[in-house]
Amino acid sequence: IAGITQAPTSQILAAGRRMTLRCTQDMRHNAMYWYRQDLGLGLRLIHYSNTAGTTGKGEVPDGYSVSRANTDDFPLTLASAVPSQTSVYFCASSFKDSQGVGEQFFGPGTRLTVL
Amino acid sequence: GQNIDQPTEMTATEGAIVQINCTYQTSGFNGLFWYQQHAGEAPTFLSYNVLDGLEEKGRFSSFLSRSKGYSYLLLKELQMKDSASYLCAVMDSNYQLIWGAGTKLIIKP
Repeated sequence: IAGITQAPTSQILAAGRRMTLRCTQDMRHNAMYWYRQDLGLGLRLIHYSNTAGTTGKGEVPDGYSVSRANTDDFPLTLASAVPSQTSVYFCASSFKDSQGVGEQFFGPGTRLTVL
Repeated sequence: GQNIDQPTEMTATEGAIVQINCTYQTSGFNGLFWYQQHAGEAPTFLSYNVLDGLEEKGRFSSFLSRSKGYSYLLLKELQMKDSASYLCAVMDSNYQLIWGAGTKLIIKP
């Protein structure tokens, strides 16, 4: 693995189904993020994790959950998918320094369609 | 509320110079980032400004004025491969990025 990977690349899902989007990074970054990107809108933060074992809510957390059991993995789960969750999902990671700042590196994205 | 504004779309000619503006109103400021995103791909980091002034990196430069809540990305000697969306993002008081909707740059030969 080089950098940050996401799976699946794309998925069509029936409404009401449960779905987990996977994200793995091998850069030993302490912080990880999940965003959704919709046409005409900026990237919106769903959930984040500043370090393994901790998570936080972003701007649009409803309907999504995350876990951070270790440094490398940060899965995003949709418990019961709805059509409004149709979007492109990006996972990102960064090394946050003592100032709390660090550039974010993005995975290739997962294109999710909920019918 | 928090707001990042940038033009939706710009068109420029190959070999020319283009300036993409970004204005922001956020709760706190811990730096401003510019990212490039080609269609169907992930955003990639271009620049970071936390102090006022101009940061130059090859053909790309980024400027920041904190008092005006304003930044711009300057692209020189435009190439066809520069056709992409350019995303402005501000790190707020919680050290989270607030993103603009992006500026789609179209380069014409």
